[in-house]
Amino acid sequence: EVQLVESGGGLVQPGGSLRLSCAAPGSTFSTYWMNWVRQAPGKGLEWVANIKQDGSEIFYVGSVKGRFTISRDNSKNSLYLQMNSLTAEDTAVYYCAGGRGWITDIWGQGTLVTVSS
Amino acid sequence: DIVMTQSPDSLAVSLGERATISCKSSQSVLSRSDNKNYLAWFQQKPGQPPKLLISWASTRESGVPDRFGGSGSGTDFTLTISSLQAEDVAVYYCQQYYGAPLTFGGGTKVEIK
Repeated sequence: EVQLVESGGGLVQPGGSLRLSCAAPGSTFSTYWMNWVRQAPGKGLEWVANIKQDGSEIFYVGSVKGRFTISRDNSKNSLYLQMNSLTAEDTAVYYCAGGRGWITDIWGQGTLVTVSS
Repeated sequence: DIVMTQSPDSLAVSLGERATISCKSSQSVLSRSDNKNYLAWFQQKPGQPPKLLISWASTRESGVPDRFGGSGSGTDFTLTISSLQAEDVAVYYCQQYYGAPLTFGGGTKVEIK
């Protein structure tokens, strides 16, 4: 089974940028649609973006369009989320999740992003 | 965007009793092409990532106890825990994966009475 490990979270000032990574050691990463899902402190889950196995299809939630970019490198079994123009509303634990089709049955432990001055 | 509405926000159930959670979507998530409901249920315990319990509205994932059951079609869905156990204390979320953006319900917190 694929294990997902996120990294890259931390404290960033409003208007700043951050790049999250998700490593998926193993051979099946390239067969999965991959997603980023976030959870603000004490709040519910919000899907952020996903990307098809070969990167040919990408979707975003409206609140991040034009600011966030999802990408993947199947040769490195890695998923990325480039986040620009960050605001306090982007403060959350960011989960990497993947699975068959759009069903997310494998999740990482998450990485915390805090946007604050 | 498809809006997912869960109810109640929280419920307290005695051990061994039934817990029922409702999830309604603002538009149908039943695909005419394959006659499948694109609806999943997740369980999230404190400090942990979500865990997929049920996909296609009623298909339990491998290893999920059979006390968890999903039902419904179109816009109305239900997650039932037939006999609540202490380890079932968690927040439960429904999610539609019929169309982008994928959307979650607001969550239902299940506690022991």
